[in-house]
Amino acid sequence: DAKTTQPNSMESNEEEPVHLPCNHSTISGTDYIHWYRQLPSQGPEYVIHGLTSNVNNRMASLAIAEDRKSSTLILHRATLRDAAVYYCIPRSYNTDKLIFGTGTRLQVFP
Amino acid sequence: DAGVIQSPRHEVTEMGQEVTLRCKPISGHDYLFWYRQTMMRGLELLIYFNNNVPIDDSGMPEDRFSAKMPNASFSTLKIQPSEPRDSAVYFCASSGTGAFSGNTIYFGEGSWLTVV
Repeated sequence: DAKTTQPNSMESNEEEPVHLPCNHSTISGTDYIHWYRQLPSQGPEYVIHGLTSNVNNRMASLAIAEDRKSSTLILHRATLRDAAVYYCIPRSYNTDKLIFGTGTRLQVFP
Repeated sequence: DAGVIQSPRHEVTEMGQEVTLRCKPISGHDYLFWYRQTMMRGLELLIYFNNNVPIDDSGMPEDRFSAKMPNASFSTLKIQPSEPRDSAVYFCASSGTGAFSGNTIYFGEGSWLTVV
């Protein structure tokens, strides 16, 4: 499994954009980059995933570096509900499971 | 869709007692996962099943832990005997198959276990 490095914590103000970085320099060519988040007292939930191209969905955008050794999850306008731990998880296309690292704890201030 | 359903949501038990955690996956999903979360160790995968068959149980901490999936709609995680260090949040999760990029895994709300 590719190792990831994420900041332990980040802070943002409400309605500001947030860029959550992730380094995954040992990622293999078949690994997709998945992001999950865990709201307080809840189970993790899917946010977004991608392989090479940048991806957008209703929750967030994912920007993947050209060499794929890093990626950034972008929340365009943070809300209080976005306060959570965000996990970046490289996952091979032929892997059924998710292996979580320590993630980034995002605090959002009103 | 009801999502992944876990029970009990909270349990406090005495050391040495047997604990059984239950999980109902999302209908139609053929993968089921059990995770444990503690402050010290974070989220750990304990075991997962595909079509009711255990595929990888390398994360099960020791013989006191066992998991079963007798049918596609039910799984149990049993701890016998329980110890204080088993206190944690236990998550059940499920997913389908077919997405080349990896199927989304859906988590339950967790079972909060305290062993005193």
